[in-house]
Amino acid sequence: AQTVTQSQPEMSVQEAETVTLSCTYDTSESNYYLFWYKQPPSRQMILVIRQEAYKQQNATENRFSVNFQKAAKSFSLKISDSQLGDTAMYFCAFGSGAGSYQLTFGKGTKLSVIP
Amino acid sequence: GAVVSQHPSRVICKSGTSVKIECRSLDFQATTMFWYRQFPKQSLMLMATSNEGSKATYEQGVEKDKFLINHASLTLSTLTVTSAHPEDSSFYICSAGGVGFQYQETQYFGPGTRLLVL
Repeated sequence: AQTVTQSQPEMSVQEAETVTLSCTYDTSESNYYLFWYKQPPSRQMILVIRQEAYKQQNATENRFSVNFQKAAKSFSLKISDSQLGDTAMYFCAFGSGAGSYQLTFGKGTKLSVIP
Repeated sequence: GAVVSQHPSRVICKSGTSVKIECRSLDFQATTMFWYRQFPKQSLMLMATSNEGSKATYEQGVEKDKFLINHASLTLSTLTVTSAHPEDSSFYICSAGGVGFQYQETQYFGPGTRLLVL
């Protein structure tokens, strides 16, 4: 079974600054996918970024980028130029075809962007 | 693209009644849909996985007779909470993933349904 660990229950960052959210996972599979989802106060889950494990290149989406360290089983999310709208719960998730693409979620990190 | 709707957004019902929640993929065909439950300030808990045209697969501890799931078409899945009780009050979220869509392995989420059982 896979496990996903987010060790930072809460974090805060000043507007326009950069923040990094940590995520580690454990799996014996070789082909899998990793995701970061954002859940703002509206509670709508929004896909932030995805990473295929077979790709060495780190995924980027505008201000969001990941540091994927496969050997270390680490998948951190970096948010640059933080904006007030980035305030949300951030969930790291693991998925694989072996599990019908079911997602295993971490417990989440509550990020507050301070004006 | 990849829009998932959920209806209703919130519902209040009396104990003992049944409630149906609909989940629709609006711009893609969802071969697999997932139903989650989320308690306040907690992560998502997978309840079941449903594939179009077949019976849902329930996670351990989830009562399949209480939480009826139907995935009759490639764009619609329903969750019916039967004989609801106050302990069923929660936030229910569906998600969908689709073959033929750009990212088969990626789940796209509906906005959720807040259920309150009195």
